[in-house]
Amino acid sequence: AQSVTQLDSQVPVFEEAPVELRCNYSSSVSVYLFWYVQYPNQGLQLLLKYLSGSTLVKGINGFEAEFNKSQTSFHLRKPSVHISDTAEYFCAVSVMSYDKVIFGPGTSLSVIP
Amino acid sequence: NAGVTQTPKFQVLKTGQSMTLQCAQDMNHEYMSWYRQDPGMGLRLIHYSVGAGITDQGEVPNGYNVSRSTTEDFPLRLLSAAPSQTSVYFCASSSAGRLDMNTEAFFGQGTRLTVV
Repeated sequence: AQSVTQLDSQVPVFEEAPVELRCNYSSSVSVYLFWYVQYPNQGLQLLLKYLSGSTLVKGINGFEAEFNKSQTSFHLRKPSVHISDTAEYFCAVSVMSYDKVIFGPGTSLSVIP
Repeated sequence: NAGVTQTPKFQVLKTGQSMTLQCAQDMNHEYMSWYRQDPGMGLRLIHYSVGAGITDQGEVPNGYNVSRSTTEDFPLRLLSAAPSQTSVYFCASSSAGRLDMNTEAFFGQGTRLTVV
């Protein structure tokens, strides 16, 4: 069975500082990987996804993530955060030949002015 | 383009009452799913459907029923509500499972359910 781990439940960071949100997954087969963002009182929206090809994936709002197959990781990074990046971030995995999308527990990013 | 529409946005139930959370999508997606979101636990999959007439259980199916009579609609039924079902419920749709398609999941705005 697939699972997703987000070790950091809360990440405070000062405005304009860099940030990395960690995501590790377990799966015995190839997967698709996603990062979703949830702003307060809203639904989830896709930040970026890895389906195949280049392991460095760029998404919206200046975020990027790197797929590392040997470490089964898909960490999310941004070189300089803004107040508006304060939100909950979810890593998710979908098995290529299957239909379930499994989410991690989420990381709450708080950007401090 | 409506995307995924969930109704109602808010609901308060008494223990033992039944209700149906509605979900509709207009993207002709085959795959639809229901999640519940609880603090510190992220999103947990309740039930999902890979097409009309086909449903299956997710991680936390107990206390919930689903059906998929059309491609567009995927209602979630609580037959006898319990306080443990107090949560925020999200419906999602995607074309997941097909290697040549975008597998992004599109989410509704959520239903905040309180069972007292």
